[in-house]
Amino acid sequence: DIQMTQSPSTLSASVGDRVTITCRASQSISSWLAWYQQKPGRAPKLLIYKASSLQSGVPSRFSGSGSGTEFTLTISSLQPDDFAAYYCQQYTTYSLTFGGGTKVEFK
Amino acid sequence: EVQLVESGGGLVQPGGSLRLSCAASGFIFSDHYMDWVRQAPGKGLEWVGRIRKKANSYTTEYAAFVKGRFTISRDDSENSLYLQMNSLKTEDTAVYYCVRGPSHPPDAFDIWGQGTMVTVSS
Repeated sequence: DIQMTQSPSTLSASVGDRVTITCRASQSISSWLAWYQQKPGRAPKLLIYKASSLQSGVPSRFSGSGSGTEFTLTISSLQPDDFAAYYCQQYTTYSLTFGGGTKVEFK
Repeated sequence: EVQLVESGGGLVQPGGSLRLSCAASGFIFSDHYMDWVRQAPGKGLEWVGRIRKKANSYTTEYAAFVKGRFTISRDDSENSLYLQMNSLKTEDTAVYYCVRGPSHPPDAFDIWGQGTMVTVSS
């Protein structure tokens, strides 16, 4: 199975900060990577697919980049609604895998 | 409105069985692969398995931890997805999400149900 490693596991930030989360794949996944946001008690929500494509309805302050094995999710200016957990996921193989998650919390 | 609604969760003893259901609406169910994803309390997301559509012979894939204990099925005439779980272990305790898979893979999970809680405990 392809392993997905996210960093950091926890990130403390303030409203207005630029935030970057990294996801590394154990082998090349081309651009078959998605990012999800999850708030407590809620189902995950798709933010980014194919590494850099913004899902419909998602604010433009979210962006994704990368290919191969290194990927990043960037929030250009953190808003109060963005304090949540974020997960990357590879969907290139028969066995889909998620990263361990990054919790973005108030500084 | 595109929607997935899970049901069937609950408390079950170790070694027991449970069948989860997922009712889909608002989209052409038969056009999509369908997946199950779970999340143990306080933990991350974990893919459970997938069933492909009729054009792909309804073939299935499972995560390694399933080890023949779980079976995913679907009824396109009822727009329903199922997860039969046997030989349940305490570590299977989690919220189980029904997720819309791709119509033209590979693609990400764009629609999630609200989840149903499964607790395996004596």
